[in-house]
Amino acid sequence: AQSVSQHNHHVILSEAASLELGCNYSYGGTVNLFWYVQYPGQHLQLLLKYFSGDPLVKGIKGFEAEFIKSKFSFNLRKPSVQWSDTAEYFCAVLISGAGSYQLTFGKGTKLSVIP
Amino acid sequence: NAGVMQNPRHLVRRRGQEARLRCSPMKGHSHVYWYRQLPEEGLKFMVYLQKENIIDESGMPKERFSAEFPKEGPSILRIQQVVRGDSAAYFCASSLGQGIGNTIYFGEGSWLTVV
Repeated sequence: AQSVSQHNHHVILSEAASLELGCNYSYGGTVNLFWYVQYPGQHLQLLLKYFSGDPLVKGIKGFEAEFIKSKFSFNLRKPSVQWSDTAEYFCAVLISGAGSYQLTFGKGTKLSVIP
Repeated sequence: NAGVMQNPRHLVRRRGQEARLRCSPMKGHSHVYWYRQLPEEGLKFMVYLQKENIIDESGMPKERFSAEFPKEGPSILRIQQVVRGDSAAYFCASSLGQGIGNTIYFGEGSWLTVV
């Protein structure tokens, strides 16, 4: 079965620091990749998604992610974080074929940004 | 806001009672999904429904849990005889189509607490 690994459980950064959150998945076929953000007490919001084409994807709020097929990775980046980026970030994958409507999520990475 | 609407946002039930969670998908979406988020865990797929049909319930516990998406009205996730282990956030999601190439949008979640 496919799985999604997020390397960091909790990341603490100061404002203006650069961010990179790791995400690896285990599936060799066609995938769609997503990053969702969950602010405290709120629902999951879509940050960005990769379906095909340019492997560097730009999302909302200055976030971007790079799909590296050879590494099965889809890392999330932001050059300069703000206090308002404090949230939990989830990587998710949708695979082709049977069960292609099921998103498989990583366990999430909590980001705390210190003013 | 024409997003995925869930209610109630918070629900407290005593052990043995029933919990009913409701979900109205985004306008125009006929594909509905339920996910459960346990503490310190990522979201896990429970069930996928289209109007009047359960397409995949492979993620549903075998007993006490059921879901429906009637021709008229919201989708309902029903948990009978709740136990403490059912305490979690339950997220509904919807999409326009199914599978690769479709974005899944999430609601704000229903937080169930069993006391």
